[in-house]
Amino acid sequence: GIQVEQSPPDLILQEGANSTLRCNFSDSVNNLQWFHQNPWGQLINLFYIPSGTKQNGRLSATTVATERYSLLYISSSQTTDSGVYFCAVEMRRNYQLIWGAGTKLIIKP
Amino acid sequence: DAGVIQSPRHEVTEMGQEVTLRCKPISGHDYLFWYRQTMMRGLELLIYFNNNVPIDDSGMPEDRFSAKMPNASFSTLKIQPSEPRDSAVYFCASSFGGLRELFFGEGSRLTVL
Repeated sequence: GIQVEQSPPDLILQEGANSTLRCNFSDSVNNLQWFHQNPWGQLINLFYIPSGTKQNGRLSATTVATERYSLLYISSSQTTDSGVYFCAVEMRRNYQLIWGAGTKLIIKP
Repeated sequence: DAGVIQSPRHEVTEMGQEVTLRCKPISGHDYLFWYRQTMMRGLELLIYFNNNVPIDDSGMPEDRFSAKMPNASFSTLKIQPSEPRDSAVYFCASSFGGLRELFFGEGSRLTVL
């Protein structure tokens, strides 16, 4: 089955720093989403981005479908950005999201 | 606009008891998903509905689990009888038109003693 690998597994940064999180997937996908799970456990949809580039405030994401990877950029990190960032993909239109293991981000004040 | 609403937020029960988790999806969304999250297995899809009809319940662990969606604004996930290995956070999520953008509730943390 399709493999979803996220890197790095853990990232510790000072407030104000920029970061890049990566998601590699092993097969063609028709759906890719990035989620943030905050320290209280809430899962928040950041981007639906099967291809191309999107931006939302300090966050942006790029998916290069032909090369099977997606990047999530966080600029000027804030402590509220802490949590786990998940990449999830759907290979066929079967409504099954395959989840990566996540990148745990800690932003220190 | 209200997001996906789940209740209860926390549930502690004893083995053998019935547990009912509730979910109100975002108004207008036609897909509803139930997920379970544990440290060992991550996020697992249990079942999903389209227009109140269960489409795929292959992720439901066993017959002790059941889910219903009697109308577009309400769904339940029931565990009877509950076991300690059912302890997890159960998430409900909804979307419009498929899996394009998934919106999650805050989750129900279940502890079975």
